[in-house]
Amino acid sequence: KNQVEQSPQSLIILEGKNCTLQCNYTVSPFSNLRWYKQDTGRGPVSLTIMTFSENTKSNGRYTATLDADTKQSSLHITASQLSDSASYICVVSQSCMLTFGGGTRLMVKP
Amino acid sequence: EPEVTQTPSHQVTQMGQEVILRCVPISNHLYFYWYRQILGQKVEFLVSFYNNEISEKSEIFDDQFSVERPDGSNFTLKIRSTKLEDSAMYFCASSDRPGMNTEAFFGQGTRLTVV
Repeated sequence: KNQVEQSPQSLIILEGKNCTLQCNYTVSPFSNLRWYKQDTGRGPVSLTIMTFSENTKSNGRYTATLDADTKQSSLHITASQLSDSASYICVVSQSCMLTFGGGTRLMVKP
Repeated sequence: EPEVTQTPSHQVTQMGQEVILRCVPISNHLYFYWYRQILGQKVEFLVSFYNNEISEKSEIFDDQFSVERPDGSNFTLKIRSTKLEDSAMYFCASSDRPGMNTEAFFGQGTRLTVV
């Protein structure tokens, strides 16, 4: 069964600190892996998209890594800001279908 | 910046009633999707739509559900006879190419509450 598992489920950090979120997937076949940010009650917003041949991609303070051999990805957030408080969702794409992870709920405190 | 818009933002309906959720995808996009998110759960794929027909659908998308592009701009999801378990946030998304390595843009969602 295609699955995307994320850890931790929730995380609290202080403003200015870094953090790393993890994603493991069993989706096959695999087209690409995406990280989305979702504010409460809003639609997901794309942060990064990586194909199996890419092992790192950055978008500002967000850096995603991908190990297609071990089927693991991580999202590193540098110098966190209060506005980073949201759910971060790992999503694996197969053709037209996206399989979502359960997300990591990040809270950044002052 | 172009965006996907969904209406209404919140819909309350009685069990057994039909409901239509509306979406206006980004204007030059050709691929459209519906997803749902039950409160506290993962976002789940429902259906993808291209060239006026369904290209993929999940097992959730049973005979109670249908999608339509009635004109050049709207993309709708109809639930024929709503059940309590249909209560969820429904997200529409669109992309300019198929899912392979292309970004899907999501709307803000419609919160459907079935009472």
